[in-house]
Amino acid sequence: DAGVTQSPTHLIKTRGQQVTLRCSPKSGHDTVSWYQQALGQGPQFIFQYYEEEERQRGNFPDRFSGHQFPNYSSELNVNALLLGDSALYLCASSRRQGLNPRHLNEQFFGPGTRLTVL
Amino acid sequence: AQTVTQSQPEMSVQEAETVTLSCTYDTSESDYYLFWYKQPPSRQMILVIRQEAYKQQNATENRFSVNFQKAAKSFSLKISDSQLGDAAMYFCAYKMSNNNDMRFGAGTRLTVKP
Repeated sequence: DAGVTQSPTHLIKTRGQQVTLRCSPKSGHDTVSWYQQALGQGPQFIFQYYEEEERQRGNFPDRFSGHQFPNYSSELNVNALLLGDSALYLCASSRRQGLNPRHLNEQFFGPGTRLTVL
Repeated sequence: AQTVTQSQPEMSVQEAETVTLSCTYDTSESDYYLFWYKQPPSRQMILVIRQEAYKQQNATENRFSVNFQKAAKSFSLKISDSQLGDAAMYFCAYKMSNNNDMRFGAGTRLTVKP
C-alpha cells in the first residue's frame, strides 16, 4: 500500500516564474491538504481539496492555487514566485468520514517537495 | 486565533532515559484535537500520538505518552526509554473538530545521545 507520494523531490526556480507541485494521496483517501514549511518553522496550512473543490484556505495569497483530479490526486500551483516562497511543501491526505465533526480524519503526510526560489 | 507554542527549540536526552517536550496552545474552543508529529531528516511527518480534547484520559502509544491539561492549555509529550531512532524534530499541532486548518508549533529538535 503506497503512502502519500509527491513530485518532484526538489525544484529550483527563479523569481517571477510559476511552479506546479504534485501529490498522490494514500490509497483509500479522498481529501488532500497542502502545507508550506519554511526553514526552521512548523508547517502552515495552505488549503484543502475534497471532491475536486477547494474546501478551506489558510492565509495565503491568490498566487497559490490548486486542483484536485477525479482520482483524488492534487496539484499546487504558485505563480509569480517570490524569494519568500522557498520552503518545503507538504501534502497530506485523509479520508473524509461523513459530516460528523467528531470523526478524526487523520492526515498522512508525504515526504514533501523542496522548492528553492533564486 | 489559535496558536501553538513550543518553548524548547532543542532538547537532549541520554539513550534509555526519559524526556518531556512541552507544548501550550491558545484557543477559545472546547472541541478540538491535539497531535504530536515527528519529522526525521527524511522530512516525512509521522503521527506519534493524538488526543481528543473531550477525553480526560491521557493518550498513550507504547513509549510515548502525553500529559493533557485542558484548563492550562498544555499538552506535553513524554518519551520513555529513549532510542537513537527517536532523534528528530517534534511538532505539536492543534485542530478544531470542525475545521481543516491544522496549526503547528515551531518544533523542538530532539537529540538522543548514545
